[in-house]
Amino acid sequence: GENVEQHPSTLSVQEGDSAVIKCTYSDSASNYFPWYKQELGKGPQLIIDIRSNVGEKKDQRIAVTLNKTAKHFSLHITETQPEDSAVYFCAASTEDKVIFGPGTSLSVIP
Amino acid sequence: NAGVTQTPKFQVLKTGQSMTLQCAQDMNHNSMYWYRQDPGMGLRLIYYSASEGTTDKGEVPNGYNVSRLNKREFSLRLESAAPSQTSVYFCASSVTSGSLSEQYFGPGTRLTVT
Repeated sequence: GENVEQHPSTLSVQEGDSAVIKCTYSDSASNYFPWYKQELGKGPQLIIDIRSNVGEKKDQRIAVTLNKTAKHFSLHITETQPEDSAVYFCAASTEDKVIFGPGTSLSVIP
Repeated sequence: NAGVTQTPKFQVLKTGQSMTLQCAQDMNHNSMYWYRQDPGMGLRLIYYSASEGTTDKGEVPNGYNVSRLNKREFSLRLESAAPSQTSVYFCASSVTSGSLSEQYFGPGTRLTVT
């Protein structure tokens, strides 16, 4: 079946460094790629998304890149802060369904 | 706006017991979803409702039933709970039907089946 792989599963960075999380998807019909942040004890919340007609999107310290040919997309967080510590999920959506990656637990060490 | 609300927050059941998880949204969204979240497996779709009056199976529907009571409310029922249903359950909603729009998630229900 269709799936989304996500790496790494855990990531620790020093405050101020950058963090990169990578995802690959299998369904070539996917055309919407959201990223969600889940803080402890809360539900996931959208932080950025990208559609298939765009290669890169940036929102302050967060950026997402998409390579449709290779079926790769990545989340980049610059100048990390302790409040960035959370679990991050990527997802790939078609018109019929959305499939989530297994998540990356990011720890930002002060 | 409260967004998406879920009740209860925590629940412990014995094997074979039944219960209903409640979900409501006040954003006038058309579509609603139920997911379960297990360690290392991300979010898996149980059932969804593209619009009021319709429901469809997701990836892992066995052992569950749903009811789209009205546009605001979407409930998930476990008729005979099993230990394999121990999980965190999230309800979500989105503006449009289909999967090409942002989903808003509730705070989750942590269910333990002993």
